[in-house]
Amino acid sequence: GEDVEQSLFLSVREGDSSVINCTYTDSSSTYLYWYKQEPGAGLQLLTYIFSNMDMKQDQRLTVLLNKKDKHLSLRIADTQTGDSAIYFCAESSPGRSGYSTLTFGKGTMLLVSP
Amino acid sequence: DADVTQTPRNRITKTGKRIMLECSQTKGHDRMYWYRQDPGLGLRLIYYSFDVKDINKGEISDGYSVSRQAQAKFSLSLESAIPNQTALYFCATQAEGRTGELFFGEGSRLTVL
Repeated sequence: GEDVEQSLFLSVREGDSSVINCTYTDSSSTYLYWYKQEPGAGLQLLTYIFSNMDMKQDQRLTVLLNKKDKHLSLRIADTQTGDSAIYFCAESSPGRSGYSTLTFGKGTMLLVSP
Repeated sequence: DADVTQTPRNRITKTGKRIMLECSQTKGHDRMYWYRQDPGLGLRLIYYSFDVKDINKGEISDGYSVSRQAQAKFSLSLESAIPNQTALYFCATQAEGRTGELFFGEGSRLTVL
């Protein structure tokens, strides 16, 4: 079945860039997502990229996709303490009735120190 | 008000008790999910529903059951709770369309003693 792998923990200093990496196995993936979970809260969609794109930039966030290697990364520029959270990588593949089925990684805990 | 609301937010119960976690949504989405989150294991899918008459098992459905009472309501039951069902449970709805974005509730923390 589909699998999504990501490292479990990343620690950076405030002001540095953070890079969270993810690999996936499903070659039919159509969209790849980054979700953010803050302490005590549910997951919220941070950004997503369509599988025919290489890069997507949104303010401090840069998503890079290497479809050949099935590798996705999320770069956060000028990381702030408020960015401390768990970041989940997810991929979707076509499912029934026009809906996509999402598979999540285990999440990367990002800790930003002052 | 939250678009996806879960109740209760926290529950402590004893082994063998029946527990129901409820989820309601105002987003008008047909598809709804129940996940559990455990440290180091990420999110695992328990059940999902396309609509009121369509219920599907996820990867870890054993020990759980669900009921889709209406488009807006999807409840998860543990008929006889056991300690390894201690976890954080999330309900989510899914938008129509190709991106398939999921919208999550804030979670229900269940502790089984």
